[in-house]
Amino acid sequence: GAGVSQTPSNKVTEKGKYVELRCDPISGHTALYWYRQSLGQGPEFLIYFQGTGAADDSGLPNDRFFAVRPEGSVSTLKIQRTERGDSAVYLCASSGTGGTEAFFGQGTRLTVV
Amino acid sequence: GESVGLHLPTLSVQEGDNSIINCAYSNSASDYFIWYKQESGKGPQFIIDIRSNMDKRQGQRVTVLLNKTVKHLSLQIAATQPGDSAVYFCAETPYNQGGKLIFGQGTELSVKP
Repeated sequence: GAGVSQTPSNKVTEKGKYVELRCDPISGHTALYWYRQSLGQGPEFLIYFQGTGAADDSGLPNDRFFAVRPEGSVSTLKIQRTERGDSAVYLCASSGTGGTEAFFGQGTRLTVV
Repeated sequence: GESVGLHLPTLSVQEGDNSIINCAYSNSASDYFIWYKQESGKGPQFIIDIRSNMDKRQGQRVTVLLNKTVKHLSLQIAATQPGDSAVYFCAETPYNQGGKLIFGQGTELSVKP
């Protein structure tokens, strides 16, 4: 596709449930990033992939959060035992080899009720 | 700890006037800075970037100034238009951290016709 695509655009889940958020980066982009954005705040870094491997997962808040990128393209952010505090917009971005400009998707708005 | 912050949370300007949005950063090791524009319901959109070996960079209607002495970044928008209304974030990439972005809180720019 022309840009970074994230699905679903909105997700409402009950507290304690498991959710998966998907990111399709720009074709050919080797770097992929997940961020979380709360209302009125700037995006907060979660994890960064270079190819298939997580190069930096220092932003994941706890072990309920996990992300994969098995083939170096699509990535899935997985949240177990969701809590109301997990409610936020989850943003995905990608950038090309040697490139520093990151292109963002529109985000997935997660609401935990 | 590392942080990037903005001096003004809101800025209201008249259409046609110039806008200046300011940002302070705390990590002197950062070597790359970016300004993003975010409209409601959308992901951040790249506006302009600057490397730490530069003091100024100009784009179309936008200029970014970097003062490393006082760790200050600013975005100047010439002839501000209603379409410029959005939240603006500065972000920094610490050296050798793979392009991971640290965002500030954001400034909401409102352009009055």
